[in-house]
Amino acid sequence: DIQLTQSPSTLSASVGDRVTITCRASQSINHWLAWYQQKPGKAPKVLIYKASSLQNGVPSRFSGSGSGTEFTLTISSLQPDDFATYYCQQSNGYLTFGQGTKVEIK
Amino acid sequence: QLQLQESGPGLVKPSETLSLTCTVSGDSISSSSYHWGWIRQTPGKGLEWIATMYYGGSTYYNPSLKSRITVSVDTSKNQFSLKLTTVTAADTAVYYCARRDTSAFFDSWGQGILVTVSS
Repeated sequence: DIQLTQSPSTLSASVGDRVTITCRASQSINHWLAWYQQKPGKAPKVLIYKASSLQNGVPSRFSGSGSGTEFTLTISSLQPDDFATYYCQQSNGYLTFGQGTKVEIK
Repeated sequence: QLQLQESGPGLVKPSETLSLTCTVSGDSISSSSYHWGWIRQTPGKGLEWIATMYYGGSTYYNPSLKSRITVSVDTSKNQFSLKLTTVTAADTAVYYCARRDTSAFFDSWGQGILVTVSS
């Protein structure tokens, strides 16, 4: 299996902050990485696919970058609605998810 | 608008079979190029992909669960289903059905159903 390791596990930030979450793959996955946002009691919602493509309807403050084994999700200016847990997911082999990064209010 | 809805028992006894159905509305399982999948979530293991299927017959399974999984599609009802045999407490989770885009991400999800394995 391809393992995905997210860092940090928890991130404390304020509204307006620039936030970066990292996802590292145990082997190269090219650009086959997606990012999801999940709020309590809700299903995950895709934000970014193929490492850097913004899903329709997702605010432009979200961006993704990377290829190979290292990827980042950036929120350029954190908004109140963005406090949630974020997951990466790879699809280069059998699908796997990262363990999640919780973005909480500082 | 695409909607997916999981259904099935919320409580299953250990060693029995967990059976779930996902009803799709707003898209036809048999006319689209999408794949359809199952994912589960537990506090301990996080999100875990279970299986993905295409109505034409292709199926892909998580190797760690493959021996216990059966997935199927009923195009007449626009539904797809999951059976997981010989369940244990470790299979207690929220189970989601989802649509997988051609770029290999899940673009639409059901609301999820909590399945508890307990006697």
